[in-house]
Amino acid sequence: QVQLVQSGAEVKKPGASVKVSCKVSGYTLTELSMHWVRQAPGKGLEWMGGFDPEDGETIYAQKFQGRVTMTEDTSTDTAYMELSSLRSEDTAVYYCATATPLVGAGAFDIWGQGTMVTVSS
Amino acid sequence: EIVLTQSPGTLSLSPGERATLSCRASQSVSSSYLAWYQQKPGQAPRLLIYGASSRATGIPDRFSGSGSGTDFTLTISRLEPEDFAVYYCQQSKTFGQGTKVEIK
Repeated sequence: QVQLVQSGAEVKKPGASVKVSCKVSGYTLTELSMHWVRQAPGKGLEWMGGFDPEDGETIYAQKFQGRVTMTEDTSTDTAYMELSSLRSEDTAVYYCATATPLVGAGAFDIWGQGTMVTVSS
Repeated sequence: EIVLTQSPGTLSLSPGERATLSCRASQSVSSSYLAWYQQKPGQAPRLLIYGASSRATGIPDRFSGSGSGTDFTLTISRLEPEDFAVYYCQQSKTFGQGTKVEIK
């Protein structure tokens, strides 16, 4: 049973950075392609980036290029998403999500519980 | 960049009725990468359909997906009380804006 457990809620000031973690259990991180999706309050889902197994590298949505970094620690099976230069519009729930071999690429059948990030002065 | 447009924005129906949700892509997309999710307040999205028409593990057979090219449909044959939620389509790195299915 694959499970993704994320770190707790964060409150940050504008201009700061936030780093959210996502621990994998039931699989090893190397067996999965991890992605990050966010959802602002009352809004829809927005893909931020993730690992592309065809290219073997992490790709980012153009909107977040230069501000987001996604990394992995395979020794602890933990993925990280760091977002810098935070502004109020970054206030959102941040999810890690992945696809198991059951569904293959293109859909996320496992999601973390979400991490609320609030940006406020 | 592909844009996914879902319609209607809100669907008001009664339990037992049939729900038909639409997802239209701005250009032809691969059915292999078309997915549907259900999201309830305070919860993470739940995968319902992947590959346009394959049900994810544990999803009741009242949920079905169809379509190809630019037009895709999620059908809920008979709405149960727990089906009232927001539904999103996804194609690879793009999500639709969502359709809310509410109780009439």
